[in-house]
Amino acid sequence: SQQGEEDPQALSIQEGENATMNCSYKTSINNLQWYRQNSGRGLVHLILIRSNEREKHSGRLRVTLDTSKKSSSLLITASRAADTASYFCATVYSSNTGKLIFGQGTTLQVKP
Amino acid sequence: DAMVIQNPRYQVTQFGKPVTLSCSQTLNHNVMYWYQQKSSQAPKLLFHYYDKDFNNEADTPDNFQSRRPNTSFCFLDIRSPGLGDAAMYLCATSRGLPSTDTQYFGPGTRLTVL
Repeated sequence: SQQGEEDPQALSIQEGENATMNCSYKTSINNLQWYRQNSGRGLVHLILIRSNEREKHSGRLRVTLDTSKKSSSLLITASRAADTASYFCATVYSSNTGKLIFGQGTTLQVKP
Repeated sequence: DAMVIQNPRYQVTQFGKPVTLSCSQTLNHNVMYWYQQKSSQAPKLLFHYYDKDFNNEADTPDNFQSRRPNTSFCFLDIRSPGLGDAAMYLCATSRGLPSTDTQYFGPGTRLTVL
């Protein structure tokens, strides 16, 4: 299976703290994407980072990509209760650019 | 607002009774996807259409089929639902393939099989 792994599976923090989620993948990628899913809802795209990029920012979100370690991280700064959700990384492998493969996700709880 | 719409949001069916889930989009995207997501698991791609070209994942059971009569609509047909098919079914669209374009998801249809 090409499915990557996410770490941690669950994370609980206080409002205002930073949250970091990690994603590892198996082989060479075209790009890596992060999505958020609120409970029982569809997924919302957050950031896409290409294999030749090392870091991208979007508001309070910062994504890094280390292709030598085959890993990515998502940092949410100054978290809010509304950030409570599941976060998924999804990879597009170079061997199959027609498919997005999702990791198992990290469940984030931000306590007010 | 341009969006991806799924109907119904909740569907209850009986074991073995055919069921159809629908998805429509106002984004005029070329690609439409169907994913299955079981509780606390990752979304799993079942198949996708690029325009009228149908692409089935190798491990998608024959019980699952899809139709795309036009650009805006795509249907997921489950011919004989089993208890193991209870899941959230997510429709997504994108302008092009994942190598270049992000996907826009609908809210999902939660299927219960009795």
